[in-house]
Amino acid sequence: RKEVEQDPGPFNVPEGATVAFNCTYSNSASQSFFWYRQDCRKEPKLLMSVYSSGNEDGRFTAQLNRASQYISLLIRDSKLSDSATYLCVANNAGNMLTFGGGTRLMVKP
Amino acid sequence: NAGVTQTPKFRVLKTGQSMTLLCAQDMNHEYMYWYRQDPGMGLRLIHYSVGEGTTAKGEVPDGYNVSRLKKQNFLLGLESAAPSQTSVYFCASSDNGDSSAGAQYFGPGTRLTVL
Repeated sequence: RKEVEQDPGPFNVPEGATVAFNCTYSNSASQSFFWYRQDCRKEPKLLMSVYSSGNEDGRFTAQLNRASQYISLLIRDSKLSDSATYLCVANNAGNMLTFGGGTRLMVKP
Repeated sequence: NAGVTQTPKFRVLKTGQSMTLLCAQDMNHEYMYWYRQDPGMGLRLIHYSVGEGTTAKGEVPDGYNVSRLKKQNFLLGLESAAPSQTSVYFCASSDNGDSSAGAQYFGPGTRLTVL
């Protein structure tokens, strides 16, 4: 079993839709969590950190449920430019990140 | 700030050749990492460094060596390239402060093909 698991998708949604991605992690000692965005043939870029209380950055909302070892990312009012692969990431210890395989999002006009 | 930079951007090698990939960061980060990314495999850690003069093995270290002689630079060497090392290589860095919670910042990548 992978330490960080994501549905690979692709998620095909129309512009303006709301889409949610889920992620589960197996290491209960994981200390912090992130969502990264990766465009085709580009490097991963930090989208947002994920806090237990939930956090929002514009159209993006991240949630963490430690009891269920579950992380989510909600994107509201999807834009064409949101099309990318979204990576769920856990920091286990000592700044060592474990990456999920990614969820591909395609926003269509 | 340039952030994390990598050279070269692209390279084609023949089996058995050697090369060095250079990573540089200008954020004064303590930690640096080398990953490879292959289709269907996600990001896999090759080697990492927790400070100048230190290196450690990651998940897939075989066939690679690294050096961190200066805090801002992290070199990845392939002594005798093999076709299995065809991949995209990403360098990343992070600081060890509590505020960052360990977030890593990536360079643009090096696309390596070994024939």
